[in-house]
Amino acid sequence: EDKVVQSPLSLVVHEGDTVTLNCSYEVTNFRSLLWYKQEKKAPTFLFMLTSSGIEKKSGRLSSILDKKELFSILNITATQTGDSAVYLCAVDSWGKFQFGAGTQVVVTP
Amino acid sequence: DVKVTQSSRYLVKRTGEKVFLECVQDMDHENMFWYRQDPGLGLRLIYFSYDVKMKEKGDIPEGYSVSREKKERFSLILESASTNQTSMYLCASSPLDGRGNNEQFFGPGTRLTVL
Repeated sequence: EDKVVQSPLSLVVHEGDTVTLNCSYEVTNFRSLLWYKQEKKAPTFLFMLTSSGIEKKSGRLSSILDKKELFSILNITATQTGDSAVYLCAVDSWGKFQFGAGTQVVVTP
Repeated sequence: DVKVTQSSRYLVKRTGEKVFLECVQDMDHENMFWYRQDPGLGLRLIYFSYDVKMKEKGDIPEGYSVSREKKERFSLILESASTNQTSMYLCASSPLDGRGNNEQFFGPGTRLTVL
């Protein structure tokens, strides 16, 4: 059975801290792994990863995929209160998307 | 600006009622999806569609059906609503891109309460 597991389920950090979110997966027919940010509305796309070892970066956010060990990490450096959200990881098995439960990040001033 | 819209943001229905949730996308995407989102469970796929009149079951299709008569519209139907279908329902669409561009665009969600 396909599964996507995110850890931790939640965390609270202070502004300026760095956070690392984990996503491990077991799926058949892996095509890509995607990260989304969800505030009090619909998820918004952050990254799509298809190849191992190639870091994707956008501002203070970065992500990398390890297809051998079947996991991805999402890093947020110099966190700001606007980074408070649920971060979702999803794996695309050629059109069918499996989501993890999400990691809730709270950044306090 | 790409857009996925859902017919209602909030909906309250009674047990046994037939419920229609509508989703429309204006990006000419081939793929459309219906998810429900519950605390601690993340997004779970109910149904998806690759093309008009085509549908595939996701992980939790029981109690639901779908309709895709036009490319831009994907409807989720609860034939007889039950209290355990109280949830946030999210619609999404994505292109069918041979290069692997499969980003999903989400609608704002419909929070359904079944009493």
